[in-house]
Order: sequence, then structure tokens, then C-alpha cells
Amino acid sequence: GAVVSQHPSRVICKSGTSVKIECRSLDFQATTMFWYRQFPKQSLMLMATSNEGSKATYEQGVEKDKFLINHASLTLSTLTVTSAHPEDSSFYICSARSQLGTDTQYFGPGTRLTVL
Amino acid sequence: GDSVTQMEGPVTLSEEAFLTINCTYTATGYPSLFWYVQYPGEGLQLLLKATKADDKGSNKGFEATYRKETTSFHLEKGSVQVSDSAVYFCALSFSGGYNKLIFGAGTRLAVHP
Repeated sequence: GAVVSQHPSRVICKSGTSVKIECRSLDFQATTMFWYRQFPKQSLMLMATSNEGSKATYEQGVEKDKFLINHASLTLSTLTVTSAHPEDSSFYICSARSQLGTDTQYFGPGTRLTVL
Repeated sequence: GDSVTQMEGPVTLSEEAFLTINCTYTATGYPSLFWYVQYPGEGLQLLLKATKADDKGSNKGFEATYRKETTSFHLEKGSVQVSDSAVYFCALSFSGGYNKLIFGAGTRLAVHP
């Protein structure tokens, strides 16, 4: 149980284009989903927290107009990187917290974004 | 602000060696503490957790004790296996609110036969 998927697992795009990453909780309902960014050999940095049906809460220094987050249902959140640039290349990871309200987050396998 | 500090890696051990990965934290209040593991090519998995002082989390032979007096949550295993090779992340969060996780930098463990 408690499986979280991400799609795509890898994406390569040209500079200036937009990329959408999906995060799904497969066997539970997630009231809260989190989006992280992980640089090579570094830790995960929280970008934003999204709650179903409301606007995401962004961490300081994260551009909300560049990283659009939508949490349209209890099983799906999307992250759209708009007008991507090479410096946006990174590993993006989502996690989901169960509707049951435990403090455990379940992580997706991550999406490797490369912007050329 | 709240933060987590882990020992730098990589840690290289022979199979059946004893493992310790140090983790200390700085927090206002009393957080829950976690160890996550990331195997090559996979997402993070919760390894163990402790929610209050003196609690011991354990799983798959790994243990960690929540020490409030030293603000530490060191990860230990008595006998590591090659399959334990992974990156280990220490993290904290506070109950209530959105339970935002704050991660340490991660420690890479390599176990050789």
C-alpha cells in the first residue's frame, strides 16, 4: 500500500518550453502533496505544499509563476515548469500525505528534467 | 531556523560491519524524527521514525533513538549487507499543519562484499 507514482520519469525539453509532471497516489487519498527538488548529491529542498482544492503554499525563493502547481483531486497533483531554462534541470520529487492524517509522507520515484 | 545535520559521506564498509550514521537537529519545539532511504534509481522510502524523546525506531535491522538531551537521532545497524547500499536521509517534521519535512543532506553508504 501507499504507492505514489510520477509521470514522466524522464523528460528532455528545449529551453523556453513548458513541462508538466504528474504525481498520483495510487491506493490512498492524499489531502496534501509536496513537491521537492533534488540537486545532484544534495538533499531534497521543499518547493511547495499543495492541498486539494486550494492554492499551493510556496517556500521562500520559489517562483510561483514559474512552478505552477495544481492539486485538482485527492489523488493527483501536477507541477508545471513554465518557460524552462537549463538551470531548471533537476530531479523533481513529489510526496503525498494520507487523508488519514498521519505524519508519514510517501514519495514518488522522481522525474529527471533536462532542459537543453 | 529548524535544520538537520548529517555526517558527510560516502561511508564505505565491508559486509557485516557495524554502521553508524550521525544525525543531529536544531528545532524550536519537539519534532518527529525520521530516517528515509533512497536506493539507486528509486524514490525515498521511510525506514523508521520516532515521535517523542527516548522513542526508538527500528526496521530491517536498523535502529535510531530520539535523544532530546543531545538533539540527535543516529542511525545504527549491527551488520550491514551489500543490499543496504543506498543514500540515507535524516529528517524532521512537526505534527499539525502540513507536516513539512526538513531533510539533512543525505549520507551515501556503500557496502562491499
